Amino acid sequence: AQTVTQSQPEMSVQEAETVTLSCTYDTSESNYYLFWYKQPPSRQMILVIRQEAYKQQNATENRFSVNFQKAAKSFSLKISDSQLGDTAMYFCAFITIQGAQKLVFGQGTRLTINP
Amino acid sequence: DSGVTQTPKHLITATGQRVTLRCSPRSGDLSVYWYQQSLDQGLQFLIQYYNGEERAKGNILERFSAQQFPDLHSELNLSSLELGDSALYFCASSVSVGAGGTETQYFGPGTRLLVL
Repeated sequence: AQTVTQSQPEMSVQEAETVTLSCTYDTSESNYYLFWYKQPPSRQMILVIRQEAYKQQNATENRFSVNFQKAAKSFSLKISDSQLGDTAMYFCAFITIQGAQKLVFGQGTRLTINP
Repeated sequence: DSGVTQTPKHLITATGQRVTLRCSPRSGDLSVYWYQQSLDQGLQFLIQYYNGEERAKGNILERFSAQQFPDLHSELNLSSLELGDSALYFCASSVSVGAGGTETQYFGPGTRLLVL
């Protein structure tokens, strides 16, 4: 079975701090893509960052970066210099190249940035 | 704004009724995906269409059906609605050129369905 586990249901940090959200996944496939999506109170699903499993270099997008450990099947998201607008649910997800082209999501981490 | 549009934004209906949710993908995207987000089940993949053809099916109930039209917009039909069908229904789209299907999926704003 393909699963994603986000072990932190909720996190809270002060503005400008750095925070890391954890994600582990399980798949027997070797070729896949990993994503972090953000869902603010508006409920819109917004892509934060994407990582190709065949790439060793960790993806970065401005203040967002990932720590991808393929052997450990770990894909954590680091948010630097956190801002109030980063308050949201964050979902880790992956999609395999073979088989059904569906995103498999974790249960999410609710992140609150406090002023 | 992802470029994916969904209508209506909100829908309130009664048990036993039938509703249709509509999705227009981003310009140039051939694949449309439907997901259901509920409190107890999280985000679940329902079905994918690629250029008018059903490509993959997930945890979609037999009471639910979908189609993609020649202009690439898609509709999700939910019938014999039950209280448990209350959820946020997302449509996503991607380019999906070739068999890879690993292009990034961009999500619409969702349709919030409440069954009373």
